[in-house]
Amino acid sequence: AQKVTQAQTEISVVEKEDVTLDCVYETRDTTYYLFWYKQPPSGELVFLIRRNSFDEQNEISGRYSWNFQKSTSSFNFTITASQVVDSAVYFCALSEAGTGTASKLTFGTGTRLQVTL
Amino acid sequence: DAGVIQSPRHEVTEMGQEVTLRCKPISGHDYLFWYRQTMMRGLELLIYFNNNVPIDDSGMPEDRFSAKMPNASFSTLKIQPSEPRDSAVYFCASRGVTANQPQHFGDGTRLSIL
Repeated sequence: AQKVTQAQTEISVVEKEDVTLDCVYETRDTTYYLFWYKQPPSGELVFLIRRNSFDEQNEISGRYSWNFQKSTSSFNFTITASQVVDSAVYFCALSEAGTGTASKLTFGTGTRLQVTL
Repeated sequence: DAGVIQSPRHEVTEMGQEVTLRCKPISGHDYLFWYRQTMMRGLELLIYFNNNVPIDDSGMPEDRFSAKMPNASFSTLKIQPSEPRDSAVYFCASRGVTANQPQHFGDGTRLSIL
């Protein structure tokens, strides 16, 4: 069975600090996909990034970067120079390859990030 | 492109009443998912459809919940009769044909059962 663990329930930082959100996953599949979603205070769930299990390249998008390490089953998310607008709950999720029941997306419990001035 | 559209955005009703939540997925998406989010249980998958056919409804909490997808552009989640413990945010999401594609979520329906 697949599982996603976000051990950090809540993180508070001061604006301009860097912050890393941890995500550890479990799966028996050799092919799988990892996702990060953002849920701002307004409540919607916004897709941020997808990573395939066979692509361990790290990715950077502006102030956001993602570190995928199969050896430690981790897919961590770093925000550089955090801003108040980054305050949200961030979810890591896992989907195994294939169709049918393998199409489920398993979410972690989320990390609430609070960025203050 | 229009995203996933859910209605209503907010619903407040009394215990025992029937509640119907609606969802229009992104055009061309083959999969549609219904989730419930609460503080206690987080995000829970209730049911999902592939090409309008229910594939897995193991997350549906009880017989009071039912979901339908009569065509590719419309789905409903119905609760009858509703109970206070059903109060939650209900999300609909849709996705393309392969598991590597992200699910795109609607804005959710905030349901309060008094």
